[in-house]
Amino acid sequence: EAGVAQSPRYKIIEKRQSVAFWCNPISGHATLYWYQQILGQGPKLLIQFQNNGVVDDSQLPKDRFSAERLKGVDSTLKIQPAKLEDSAVYLCASSLGTSGRRETQYFGPGTRLLVL
Amino acid sequence: AQSVAQPEDQVNVAEGNPLTVKCTYSVSGNPYLFWYVQYPNRGLQFLLKYITGDNLVKGSYGFEAEFNKSQTSFHLKKPSALVSDSALYFCAVSETGANNLFFGTGTRLTVIP
Repeated sequence: EAGVAQSPRYKIIEKRQSVAFWCNPISGHATLYWYQQILGQGPKLLIQFQNNGVVDDSQLPKDRFSAERLKGVDSTLKIQPAKLEDSAVYLCASSLGTSGRRETQYFGPGTRLLVL
Repeated sequence: AQSVAQPEDQVNVAEGNPLTVKCTYSVSGNPYLFWYVQYPNRGLQFLLKYITGDNLVKGSYGFEAEFNKSQTSFHLKKPSALVSDSALYFCAVSETGANNLFFGTGTRLTVIP
């Protein structure tokens, strides 16, 4: 079974530029998550989708971050404009069902973003 | 509000010795508890979870964890450490009413040959 796919793996941009990350979850997984992992910290949830609807985006900085999950499959996360403090690894995860907190999440390899 | 603490940033253990990675939590209601492992330049891999039932949970690669409600702990254990177990380990918790996980800051495990 193929895992969660993410691209690109690495990205370097200047501050105030825009950047987009792509995620393809495990086939058939209904729930998709985007996390931000700053160096030395645990992952922090940015947004959670169930199918193509948003369940939780309370931690998403909406003035600069946006995300969508069209057709309930792939998802993109965008940052516009980027700030230095956005330097982090962006992890995508998916889970099979919609049972919330009991679901096991499966993570992709992440996209490492460096903002200069 | 839910929180999780991993009191040790670094744990060193000799190969073949038992290992323990500590985790304590604070939640409202009944906790759901998870352990994940992260290898360099890779995403998090699921090891095990406690939802309900037996307090001793067995997971992947010979790892196990014991849920202790009175001590609000969920320590990760393995009877005999391998060099390949060297990685970053994350404990995560979800409280009643939450839809998602809250992660600790991670513990770096180094197994010394």
